[in-house]
Amino acid sequence: AQKITQTQPGMFVQEKEAVTLDCTYDTSDPSYGLFWYKQPSSGEMIFLIYQGSYDQQNATEGRYSLNFQKARKSANLVISASQLGDSAMYFCAMRGMIQGAQKLVFGQGTRLTINP
Amino acid sequence: DAGVIQSPRHEVTEMGQEVTLRCKPISGHDYLFWYRQTMMRGLELLIYFNNNVPIDDSGMPEDRFSAKMPNASFSTLKIQPSEPRDSAVYFCASSQHLKETQYFGPGTRLLVL
Repeated sequence: AQKITQTQPGMFVQEKEAVTLDCTYDTSDPSYGLFWYKQPSSGEMIFLIYQGSYDQQNATEGRYSLNFQKARKSANLVISASQLGDSAMYFCAMRGMIQGAQKLVFGQGTRLTINP
Repeated sequence: DAGVIQSPRHEVTEMGQEVTLRCKPISGHDYLFWYRQTMMRGLELLIYFNNNVPIDDSGMPEDRFSAKMPNASFSTLKIQPSEPRDSAVYFCASSQHLKETQYFGPGTRLLVL
């Protein structure tokens, strides 16, 4: 079975600071993908970044980067130079690529609040 | 490019009524997913289709829920009869392949009184 754990229910950060959102995962699948989604107060789910388990480098997308530590089974999202518009719920998700039902499994989310 | 389109965005209905949620996936995407989001259970996959064929419906909570995909550009999720515990946000998502990124629609916020 696959499991995603996000241990931070909420985080408060000053504008322009960097922020790290934690995500740990558990899977027996040798190949898997890790995703981060943002859900602002308007409710939509916005895809941010993807990391494959065999990717050699950590994924980056603009101000978003994924700190992937395979041995520790962690896939933390780093947001640099935070902005007020970054305030939202953030979900980590994973999907096995070989075994199991290959369903996308989500964590419980972290609510990020950026203070001016 | 148009993203995933869902309608209605909000639905308020009374217990026992039939509810139909609609989804138009991104053109060219072969996979369509229906999710439900609640405070208690988070995001749960209900069912997904590949090329209009249901592949895994193990997440559908009970027989009151049904989903169809009559063509590549349209899917429905139906609840009949609806119950207050069905109140949730229902998302539709699509992807080009099963292992590719899923793109979500704006969701339908359902309230069953």
